[in-house]
Amino acid sequence: DAKTTQPPSMDCAEGRAANLPCNHSTISGNEYVYWYRQIHSQGPQYIIHGLKNNETNEMASLIITEDRKSSTLILPHATLRDTAVYYCTSGYSTLTFGKGTMLLVSP
Amino acid sequence: DAGVIQSPRHEVTEMGQEVTLRCKLISGHNSLFWYRQTMMRGLELLIYFNNNVPIDDSGMPEDRFSAKMPNASFSTLKIQPSEPRDSAVYFCASSRTDRGPSTDTQYFGPGTRLTVL
Repeated sequence: DAKTTQPPSMDCAEGRAANLPCNHSTISGNEYVYWYRQIHSQGPQYIIHGLKNNETNEMASLIITEDRKSSTLILPHATLRDTAVYYCTSGYSTLTFGKGTMLLVSP
Repeated sequence: DAGVIQSPRHEVTEMGQEVTLRCKLISGHNSLFWYRQTMMRGLELLIYFNNNVPIDDSGMPEDRFSAKMPNASFSTLKIQPSEPRDSAVYFCASSRTDRGPSTDTQYFGPGTRLTVL
């Protein structure tokens, strides 16, 4: 399974865009990139996934570089409730979760 | 549709006791994943089932751990005998794996917080 690298923590002001980067240089050609987040004490929550093209849903946008070696999760207008650990992951039949990025959204 | 259901939500037991954690998959899903999460090791995959068949159990710590799928919608994770180092939050997740050679979105349950004294 591909390994991912994320910064351990990031800060964002409420109402601003949060851009969370992820490196996945060893990803295989048919492996999707998935983003999850985990709010304290809860189960990981699915956010978005993509293969090659950029994706957008009601929660976030996902920008994947053309070489697929990195991606960025964008929360367009972060709120206090977006404070969580964000995991970028990929895999073939299973997913390997790293330590993620702790995003702190402040007033 | 209800999400993944896990029970119990909290379990406190004494060392040496048997512990059984339960998980109900989302209706229509055919893959089941058991994870364990600790501060030290993060979120680790223990075992993965597809269509009731264990596919990858390389993450199961040792023989004290066993997992089963008695039917397509239900799974159990058993620890016998339990030890203090088994204290963790155990999550199960389910997905519908029918898109070919790629993972499908996994949906996680709320977890079971296990404390072994």
